[in-house]
Amino acid sequence: EVQLLQSGGGLVQPGGSLRLSCAASGFTFSNYAMTWVRQAPGKGLEWVSGISGDGGRTYYADSVKGRLTISRDNSKNTLFLQMNSLRADDTAVYYCAKDQGYYDFDPWGQGTLVTVSS
Amino acid sequence: DIVMTQTPLSSPVTLGQPASISCRSSQSLVHTDGNTYLSWLHQRPGQPPRLLIYKISNRFSGVPDRFSGSGAGTDFTLKISRVEAEDVGVYYCMQATQFPLTFGGGTKVEIK
Repeated sequence: EVQLLQSGGGLVQPGGSLRLSCAASGFTFSNYAMTWVRQAPGKGLEWVSGISGDGGRTYYADSVKGRLTISRDNSKNTLFLQMNSLRADDTAVYYCAKDQGYYDFDPWGQGTLVTVSS
Repeated sequence: DIVMTQTPLSSPVTLGQPASISCRSSQSLVHTDGNTYLSWLHQRPGQPPRLLIYKISNRFSGVPDRFSGSGAGTDFTLKISRVEAEDVGVYYCMQATQFPLTFGGGTKVEIK
């Protein structure tokens, strides 16, 4: 069974840092691109970042460029999102998702809440 | 950025009756590779989204055949032929033809 298990969320002060992890199982991780999507409380979905299977290509939303960094460790089947210089408007549930191959994202991780507040 | 506009915002439906959701993009979603990367996702309260449809009309594995997608260019539709209780939640369209990927605002489906 394909599974994505997320960890690393929590409360952080404005300007602080956090690293999210997404541990994959049930498929050959390095063969698939991965993505991060977030959802602010009570709001819709916002794409954050994507990465190719080999990690050589990365993509970012303008709102996070230069502050959030996507990466992956294919030897450990794990996707990461390093979040620096966090702002209040970064508060959201962050989801990782597997790209099936045509930008069709499934499954999604369970989500992890990041709260940026003093 | 490509703006995705969904209508209606909310759709109260009777069990067993059909439902339809529209999604319009601010520019054509036809990619230079010839594909149209338009997906539909479903999110139940408190749950992560689940993929229903990809590339306009392809049902993802395990998705019931009461769900269908159609459209071309800038206009797309998700149809549920007979709504069941488990279909409640919010439906999102998403374009992946051009970065940044963008989502529609969502359509809430609820039972009358």
